[in-house]
Amino acid sequence: EVQLVESGGGLVQPGGSLRLSCAGSGFTFSSYWMHWVRQAPGRGLVSVSRIHTDGSITSYADSVKGRFTISRDNAKNTLILQMNSLRAEDTALYYCARALYTYVDYYGLDVWGQGTTVTVSS
Amino acid sequence: QSALTQPASVSGSPGQSVTISCSGTSSDVGGYKYVSWYQQHPGKAPKLMIYEVDTRPSGVSNRFSGSKSGNTASLTISGLQAEDEADYYCSSYTGRNTPYVFGTGTKVTVL
Repeated sequence: EVQLVESGGGLVQPGGSLRLSCAGSGFTFSSYWMHWVRQAPGRGLVSVSRIHTDGSITSYADSVKGRFTISRDNAKNTLILQMNSLRAEDTALYYCARALYTYVDYYGLDVWGQGTTVTVSS
Repeated sequence: QSALTQPASVSGSPGQSVTISCSGTSSDVGGYKYVSWYQQHPGKAPKLMIYEVDTRPSGVSNRFSGSKSGNTASLTISGLQAEDEADYYCSSYTGRNTPYVFGTGTKVTVL
């Protein structure tokens, strides 16, 4: 079964850090672009970051640029989001998601995890 | 990286059709044929319903169809059913060095 499972969420104080992980299984992880998408409580989907199959290309939403870092370990089928200098507005459910086709990233996201919750509050 | 604009809500009776619009710019919706649509039920992860403007993934009902004209894309749900009640989001590819952009979301209510 193709599956993504996120972990690492929790409660953190403003200015703190968290490291989210996403474990992929049931597919050739290294062949797919991967994404982080977040959803604040009662709000819509927002793309946070994406990464090329081999990690050579990354991109970020302006709101997290310079604070968040996306990476991947293809040997361990794992996607990572390192989040530093967290703010209250980063509070959200964070999903990892897989691109629809191998090696290209135009078409959309067809596999999603169930998300991990990040709460930034003092 | 402004969100694409969708109506906050649309509604219809069972069996009717509803259309959700998704307005962007020439830098996203208008500039690429890579518009996708997602369905999200409460407490669930999003589900891909349409990609490349008008293509349905395997397993998605043919009651869902997509189109695009200029900077505006649309999702039409025909033969509305109770199970279609959910939030719907459009999304567009925006280029190699930027993330996707999502729409503001539309709540579909089946009356």
